[in-house]
Amino acid sequence: EAGVVQSPRYKIIEKKQPVAFWCNPISGHNTLYWYRQNLGQGPELLIRYENEEAVDDSQLPKDRFSAERLKGVDSTLKIQPAELGDSAVYLCASSYGLAGVLEQYFGPGTRLTVT
Amino acid sequence: AQTVTQSQPEMSVQEAETVTLSCTYDTSESDYYLFWYKQPPSRQMILVIRQEAYKQQNATENRFSVNFQKAAKSFSLKISDSQLGDAAMYFCAASLSGGGADGLTFGKGTHLIIQP
Repeated sequence: EAGVVQSPRYKIIEKKQPVAFWCNPISGHNTLYWYRQNLGQGPELLIRYENEEAVDDSQLPKDRFSAERLKGVDSTLKIQPAELGDSAVYLCASSYGLAGVLEQYFGPGTRLTVT
Repeated sequence: AQTVTQSQPEMSVQEAETVTLSCTYDTSESDYYLFWYKQPPSRQMILVIRQEAYKQQNATENRFSVNFQKAAKSFSLKISDSQLGDAAMYFCAASLSGGGADGLTFGKGTHLIIQP
């Protein structure tokens, strides 16, 4: 079974430029998460989807960040414009089911460097 | 606020020895879930072990076991017979909002070094 796929693995951009990250969750997983992991820190939740609905986006900086999950499968996280402080690893995770607490399967992440 | 605290930035252990990583958390919920994740340099988060708060019995997975002290809000990970492949960042994480497929709250991590 294929795991969570993320692309690109690395991205270097100049500040004020836009950037997008893509995530393909494990087949059949209806819950999808985006986390941001700053250097030397644990991941922090940005947004959680149940199917195509964003059910928790309270930590998403909505002035510059946006996300979508069309058809409840793949998801894209976008930053526009990027700032120096956005340099981090962006992790996508997925899990199956709505009830109970489920194991989250993580992708390898996208390392973003903003110069 | 729900928090997870790991007070050991780095731990070192000799190969084949036992090491314990500490974690404390804060929540007002009675029903929650606790996890230990391993993150090697490849960045892929791997679930090591999970504990449901309503279960009194400590979870075990082969060489990995937890000491769950609900009253003290403590959740430590014990790794027995440490192996070189255990070297990684270890994150304590929790779903503290009372069930459901919630996002996880992570600690800052402990860097585990295995000395041959």
